Amino acid sequence: GAGVSQSPSNKVTEKGKDVELRCDPISGHTALYWYRQSLGQGLEFLIYFQGNSAPDKSGLPSDRFSAERTGGSVSTLTIQRTQQEDSAVYLCASSLVPNSNQPQHFGDGTRLSIL
Amino acid sequence: ILNVEQSPQSLHVQEGDSTNFTCSFPSSNFYALHWYRWETAKSPEALFVMTLNGDEKKKGRISATLNTKEGYSYLYIKGSQPEDSATYLCAFSNAGGTSYGKLTFGQGTILTVHP
Repeated sequence: GAGVSQSPSNKVTEKGKDVELRCDPISGHTALYWYRQSLGQGLEFLIYFQGNSAPDKSGLPSDRFSAERTGGSVSTLTIQRTQQEDSAVYLCASSLVPNSNQPQHFGDGTRLSIL
Repeated sequence: ILNVEQSPQSLHVQEGDSTNFTCSFPSSNFYALHWYRWETAKSPEALFVMTLNGDEKKKGRISATLNTKEGYSYLYIKGSQPEDSATYLCAFSNAGGTSYGKLTFGQGTILTVHP
């Protein structure tokens, strides 16, 4: 597709379950970012895949969160044993190269609700 | 921890008014400053990426300026229209380290333009 694609668009699950969120970046973009926005908060950086270099995982809030990017394209963000505070909109973005002089292109996000 | 602050938090203007808001960021080790527009139910859209002190960028009725020495950027909207209603986000990147694409976002300014 032409833009960044995220799925599912909405996910409701029970506390304690695992969830997997998917991001399909723009073709040819080497950098991929995950953010989340909790209610009343700004965009919070989670993890950043920068081409072939090691990902920057400094924003992951706990070891229940993990992400991978297979084949330099699609990425999945996994949250294990979900808690209510994990409820947020999870946004994925990609950029042509891993350099912040490039704009980031965002997907529509996944709205995650933990009951 | 990088502190990026935006003001005001929210703003209500009448159609036709011109308006501006501020983004403050650390003035040391500056690398890039981004502005994004995030409309409800859509994905954030890149407006500007600025890298040089004194940079001025323009896109239609929207323009932005950058002062890296004092650590601020202004976003201006001339002749606001209802379709300009959105959250405007700024994001900062500093030099150094290995995560050259990593952005720290402000909380955003919510603009509502009344017809």
